[in-house]
Amino acid sequence: GIQVEQSPPDLILQEGANSTLRCNFSDSVNNLQWFHQNPWGQLINLFYIPSGTKQNGRLSATTVATERYSLLYISSSQTTDSGVYFCAVTFSGGYQKVTFGIGTKLQVIP
Amino acid sequence: NAGVTQTPKFQVLKTGQSMTLQCAQDMNHNSMYWYRQDPGMGLRLIYYSASEGTTDKGEVPNGYNVSRLNKREFSLRLESAAPSQTSVYFCASSEPGAPKNIQYFGAGTRLSVL
Repeated sequence: GIQVEQSPPDLILQEGANSTLRCNFSDSVNNLQWFHQNPWGQLINLFYIPSGTKQNGRLSATTVATERYSLLYISSSQTTDSGVYFCAVTFSGGYQKVTFGIGTKLQVIP
Repeated sequence: NAGVTQTPKFQVLKTGQSMTLQCAQDMNHNSMYWYRQDPGMGLRLIYYSASEGTTDKGEVPNGYNVSRLNKREFSLRLESAAPSQTSVYFCASSEPGAPKNIQYFGAGTRLSVL
């Protein structure tokens, strides 16, 4: 079946460290987004990135659609980066149906 | 510009009670969605509405009904609540069509069914 897998499931970082989160998907996609859910539950869109590379400050993302994966890079992590990071995809032919991975829970400690 | 507004923020129900979760967006988006989030799981799509007047089932529609009242509003109804429906519910909206099919989320409704 259609799947979105994220790794690692949990991650603890010292403040200032860098990290890479991965999202694998089982079929071709026409939409891929990365979200951050903060400790208060709010979901914020970080990137819309069905292919290619984008950067926004300390965050960047790369999607290699032909190999069915996306990476989210966090550099110089801060405590405010803590929360859960979700990858969400719309599979080709899936219209507006969005499938979420189960997320990577990140804790950045001072 | 409020974005996506959900009401209520918290609700406690007894098994068998009914309630409606409300969602409104002011971004003039065509598509709206209802998700549920359970511990250790990602968000799962309950229902979505691609445009005003249309609704479709998502991954976990059983036990729920929806109404796309107009372009702004999309409500989710639990006719007879069950403990398995204890969850956090999120509403989202988007404007379909690349490159701007970005989903914007409300703050969520935390529902407990006793």
